[in-house]
Amino acid sequence: DGGITQSPKYLFRKEGQNVTLSCEQNLNHDAMYWYRQDPGQGLRLIYYSQIVNDFQKGDIAEGYSVSREKKESFPLTVTSAQKNPTAFYLCASSISSEPYQETQYFGPGTRLLVL
Amino acid sequence: AQSVAQPEDQVNVAEGNPLTVKCTYSVSGNPYLFWYVQYPNRGLQFLLKYITGDNLVKGSYGFEAEFNKSQTSFHLKKPSALVSDSALYFCAVRDWLTGRRALTFGSGTRLQVQP
Repeated sequence: DGGITQSPKYLFRKEGQNVTLSCEQNLNHDAMYWYRQDPGQGLRLIYYSQIVNDFQKGDIAEGYSVSREKKESFPLTVTSAQKNPTAFYLCASSISSEPYQETQYFGPGTRLLVL
Repeated sequence: AQSVAQPEDQVNVAEGNPLTVKCTYSVSGNPYLFWYVQYPNRGLQFLLKYITGDNLVKGSYGFEAEFNKSQTSFHLKKPSALVSDSALYFCAVRDWLTGRRALTFGSGTRLQVQP
């Protein structure tokens, strides 16, 4: 899983609660990504950031928010507006020196469950 | 738009036999293709990628993949399967023409190697 850490490993959310998933990387990568994984659906892009203080919505951004205040950190907040948050969440990062050719490296993931 | 198809949900192979996991893609420009492996409750590990050049790409753990432009395929292969190869495999594509830096993933293929 390289130099990418995600915490916690398991997270439980109560109805109406916002929860934040942590993602930190020490690879000096410029770009960071959040994906959601559901059984049988592969990975879907939630948000991505190419540079500090800038981020873009992915394919399923509704009910999620992010920030990128530091190069090494890209936290994801699952808001109460996300009605079906139960999934495995994966953070990834990549270096920007070779746009489109670069490899993305993934963290170990956070499993979010609803109480 | 870019897309990836993995037509088999599961592939079963006996240990010592060759294995193939299929992937086809659709892009507007030149494809950059990737294979990742995922073990239970873990993040994705990078196996190999095709950017340009030789159509046969060699990667980690004895895996290789063959890029076929006319068939728009990028099948993952290994000459002799190991029980420890049992995992979930994802094919992914990136197309510079779309301006989308994030990867588009297939739905995954579960490889089961029987002893």
